[in-house]
Amino acid sequence: KAGVTQTPRYLIKTRGQQVTLSCSPISGHRSVSWYQQTPGQGLQFLFEYFSETQRNKGNFPGRFSGRQFSNSRSEMNVSTLELGDSALYLCASSLTAGAFYGYTFGSGTRLTVV
Amino acid sequence: GIQVEQSPPDLILQEGANSTLRCNFSDSVNNLQWFHQNPWGQLINLFYIPSGTKQNGRLSATTVATERYSLLYISSSQTTDSGVYFCAVSIYGNSGNTPLVFGKGTRLSVIA
Repeated sequence: KAGVTQTPRYLIKTRGQQVTLSCSPISGHRSVSWYQQTPGQGLQFLFEYFSETQRNKGNFPGRFSGRQFSNSRSEMNVSTLELGDSALYLCASSLTAGAFYGYTFGSGTRLTVV
Repeated sequence: GIQVEQSPPDLILQEGANSTLRCNFSDSVNNLQWFHQNPWGQLINLFYIPSGTKQNGRLSATTVATERYSLLYISSSQTTDSGVYFCAVSIYGNSGNTPLVFGKGTRLSVIA
């Protein structure tokens, strides 16, 4: 079966712009979680969606938002980009809400803000 | 929140050597996973192991939940084992399972 698909793989944006990243989970998985990975902070949880509802949110400013569609695909949006938003953004899908059965990660979107 | 500590932070091995990576966590967990991040950034799920022992080829993992630690064993290491190994845990919170919390990882370099 197809894995978790994230698009685009690479992105370069200018400070102040906004960006939208997409994640398609494994077929049948209804939960999507987003993580930000930076060299300094490691892997940090952004948010989790299950059945189109945000179930959990990490400690990030309101510039970071997300949503999930009825087909379980998810998007995250970052507005007013800052240099510090440069990171690898990873999406993970799981069968149910929470990480009870484990996560499967996508290949990530590498965002560079210049 | 739950704390996850991994050791050692860095490890350099000759090809063919064995190694043990450790993950300590600060609370009772109901999910623990080991991941390998390859040079392209992909996180590959190695084990889902909240307790007990599992083996997959040259890799094996043991979690002793009562003592709050997990070990990942790599035997006969190969250059393709290089990368960063992460331990991640989840606990049962007020509204169900929490998201995975990751350790800082162990960076493994296997030299031919």
